[in-house]
Amino acid sequence: ETGVTQSPTHLIKTRGQQVTLRCSSQSGHNTVSWYQQALGQGPQFIFQYYREEENGRGNFPPRFSGLQFPNYSSELNVNALELDDSALYLCASSFLGSVNTEAFFGQGTRLTVV
Amino acid sequence: KNEVEQSPQNLTAQEGEFITINCSYSVGISALHWLQQHPGGGIVSLFMLSSGKKKHGRLIATINIQEKHSSLHITASHPRDSAVYICAVRGAGNQFYFGTGTSLTVIP
Repeated sequence: ETGVTQSPTHLIKTRGQQVTLRCSSQSGHNTVSWYQQALGQGPQFIFQYYREEENGRGNFPPRFSGLQFPNYSSELNVNALELDDSALYLCASSFLGSVNTEAFFGQGTRLTVV
Repeated sequence: KNEVEQSPQNLTAQEGEFITINCSYSVGISALHWLQQHPGGGIVSLFMLSSGKKKHGRLIATINIQEKHSSLHITASHPRDSAVYICAVRGAGNQFYFGTGTSLTVIP
């Protein structure tokens, strides 16, 4: 079992609302990346945070934003929720600076937008 | 075209069979991961490879960097191996590119 914890595990929101998802990082890691996994598809990269700064972003609109805190935990915020935002949101914790360190994934937050 | 392609998409096997899942990728990578995802959604990293071959119990993973190809083998498959197996590559920016997964069902 990894030290990466995501909360909440499940969430139901209404279209137009805002949501905040949380991810702790593995001890010793400095990078958290976020992924969206729609039903039946592989996860898609949203963005990555390294030392509290965004240092990579996938093809997601600005209403997807994030934060990383000094303890390297992270939040994903989604504004103006749309029905298509319904998905499993995964975070991965890793150490940027050493090529071959393992990455650990959280259990995911399943978001349903109605 | 996806950066990571997996085959097959779905696989049904009888208990005890030898199983192979293939992964091809088109980007430069620092490492390749084989991941297991159970119905609840959580992902477990089975292997991280940057060259050669790794073995863990009944699981074997190989990678050919020149051909940009990796395989995951399961020997003596068991119903508890039923899950989605995902190939993911870590790119130069540390982000992951994922395949769409192979859904494996092992029948007793």
